Amino acid sequence: EAAVTQSPRNKVAVTGGKVTLSCNQTNNHNNMYWYRQDTGHGLRLIHYSYGAGSTEKGDIPDGYKASRPSQENFSLILELATPSQTSVYFCASGDAGGNSDYTFGSGTRLLVI
Amino acid sequence: QQQVRQSPQSLTVWEGGTTVLTCSYEDSTFNYFPWYQQFPGEGPALLISILSVSDKKEDGRFTTFFNKREKKLSLHIIDSQPGDSATYFCAAGNNAGAKLTFGGGTRLTVRP
Repeated sequence: EAAVTQSPRNKVAVTGGKVTLSCNQTNNHNNMYWYRQDTGHGLRLIHYSYGAGSTEKGDIPDGYKASRPSQENFSLILELATPSQTSVYFCASGDAGGNSDYTFGSGTRLLVI
Repeated sequence: QQQVRQSPQSLTVWEGGTTVLTCSYEDSTFNYFPWYQQFPGEGPALLISILSVSDKKEDGRFTTFFNKREKKLSLHIIDSQPGDSATYFCAAGNNAGAKLTFGGGTRLTVRP
């Protein structure tokens, strides 16, 4: 069954540390996305990718990097984690084009202390 | 810059009642409007979607309406059930873009 799998499910990190969130999709979708979800802000786009080797900045990219080493994998990297990055992070995949549906992962809950 | 506005932020209805959620958008190039449903602890999942060439799409108890002139869309849930309690997101996209723009979400509670 096609799916988007995120790891880890929960993460506690220390301020200033490096955090890597991973995402794997078996949908064979070209596009992948990283969102964060906070109360009152809905889903905000951090980075996205059109395919292997490509990363694009979303609406709130500051403090985050992304890596797409293959069609299936898309990582979100926090080089120097801060408490303001405490959030729930969702990865999604979709076909090329802005009128295609997304498949979301189950999310990673990140706490930065 | 919030291109898709969603209201209300939260809503409580009684079981059996009708739920109405609304969204408005600014970008006139948007032509695709999906609604996503999210249960606690899960990622959002596609519920229903509509293209701008249509003004209504129905799927069981869920119906989405689109008004191009007013740049508004709505989601109606008839005979609302406690199992419908979730957060609902509207979104908008177009053929030229690579990404959907999401609204802020509506948290729905259906009381028995």
